[in-house]
Amino acid sequence: NAGVTQTPKFQVLKTGQSMTLQCAQDMNHEYMSWYRQDPGMGLRLIHYSVGAGITDQGEVPNGYNVSRSTTEDFPLRLLSAAPSQTSVYFCASRAGTGSSGNTIYFGEGSWLTVV
Amino acid sequence: KNEVEQSPQNLTAQEGEFITINCSYSVGISALHWLQQHPGGGIVSLFMLSSGKKKHGRLIATINIQEKHSSLHITASHPRDSAVYICSGGSNYKLTFGKGTLLTVNP
Repeated sequence: NAGVTQTPKFQVLKTGQSMTLQCAQDMNHEYMSWYRQDPGMGLRLIHYSVGAGITDQGEVPNGYNVSRSTTEDFPLRLLSAAPSQTSVYFCASRAGTGSSGNTIYFGEGSWLTVV
Repeated sequence: KNEVEQSPQNLTAQEGEFITINCSYSVGISALHWLQQHPGGGIVSLFMLSSGKKKHGRLIATINIQEKHSSLHITASHPRDSAVYICSGGSNYKLTFGKGTLLTVNP
């Protein structure tokens, strides 16, 4: 049972480039989400999904795109990278959709630098 | 003002000391989560609470729904407990996270 697998772990991008952060979970969780973590700030929700084919915006969605074609996968796309997107990104999943009262499982994080 | 506030922001302790980290929230929540993040590392869920108290090893988490307050206690602290501790609360799909408490336990 691998849990939540996130790739790549480290990435350097040039301004304007695009890339995709991959996230996969093998726990059959309905709910998946992407967060960014910046110094001095709490984790902030970028996008989330409550099931295959269903996605919605979080607190800081601008510049990011997501899709959920399967239960297992929830990739995050940076459309045109900007230095403000330099951050650590975490993918997370949990069972259920109507309650936050289930254990959250996080990926190991992706350190992204945009130069 | 962040909807989830943690205190203290930084905490240094000597090995063996009893540690308390506090979390206050202003939003209605259905559950509160305590998370642990080691430097440069991933985030691990420690507890999920909707009422009362939970214990796991040397860690104890309590929540008072009426006062919108939760505490994480570490008994007999050890250098391996050094990490950032994050509380998070929410309802339905969205969680709000505190900024974290950096705990350093010196031998």
